[in-house]
Amino acid sequence: KNEVEQSPQNLTAQEGEFITINCSYSVGISALHWLQQHPGGGIVSLFMLSSGKKKHGRLIATINIQEKHSSLHITASHPRDSAVYICALGRGGSQGNLIFGKGTKLSVKP
Amino acid sequence: NAGVTQTPKFQVLKTGQSMTLQCAQDMNHEYMSWYRQDPGMGLRLIHYSVGAGITDQGEVPNGYNVSRSTTEDFPLRLLSAAPSQTSVYFCASSYRGRGLSEAFFGQGTRLTVV
Repeated sequence: KNEVEQSPQNLTAQEGEFITINCSYSVGISALHWLQQHPGGGIVSLFMLSSGKKKHGRLIATINIQEKHSSLHITASHPRDSAVYICALGRGGSQGNLIFGKGTKLSVKP
Repeated sequence: NAGVTQTPKFQVLKTGQSMTLQCAQDMNHEYMSWYRQDPGMGLRLIHYSVGAGITDQGEVPNGYNVSRSTTEDFPLRLLSAAPSQTSVYFCASSYRGRGLSEAFFGQGTRLTVV
């Protein structure tokens, strides 16, 4: 079983819609990261969360540690938000690196 | 600020050839990692380093070598390229390990082995 699961795998929205991407995990974590990858591009960190909620512009990330669940919300979506959004777990221990979900491919139509 | 710089961006190799993917960061980060990204899979850890002179294997280390002689540089060497190593490779750095600080990624190297 994968330690981190994202849903949906693919998402198509109309410009202006409110978007939610979900991330569920099954292991203890030190932090959860949300990353963005544009087609053919590099990976950019959006948020790092260990509790509660964070907001940057139109992006909001929440985490519920007890339920092992995080969500990434995009308000007033725009075609430039089209990208793959990746949830990644930060864990303690000797491995000490990120464990990545498979990503959610978002396409926002004008 | 340059951040994390990876070179080359694209590379085509013949089976059996060797090459080095370069990664450099200018943020004085102790933690650096190499990942590969394949279709339908999340990024997977190849090798990582917690500081100059210290490296360790990740999830998929076979066929790759790394070294960390300076804080800034973390090259990834393909010893004898195989078609299974066709992938997109990302280098990342962070101030702290264990996912406890923001990760900074390079732009990626798209490698094709024929």
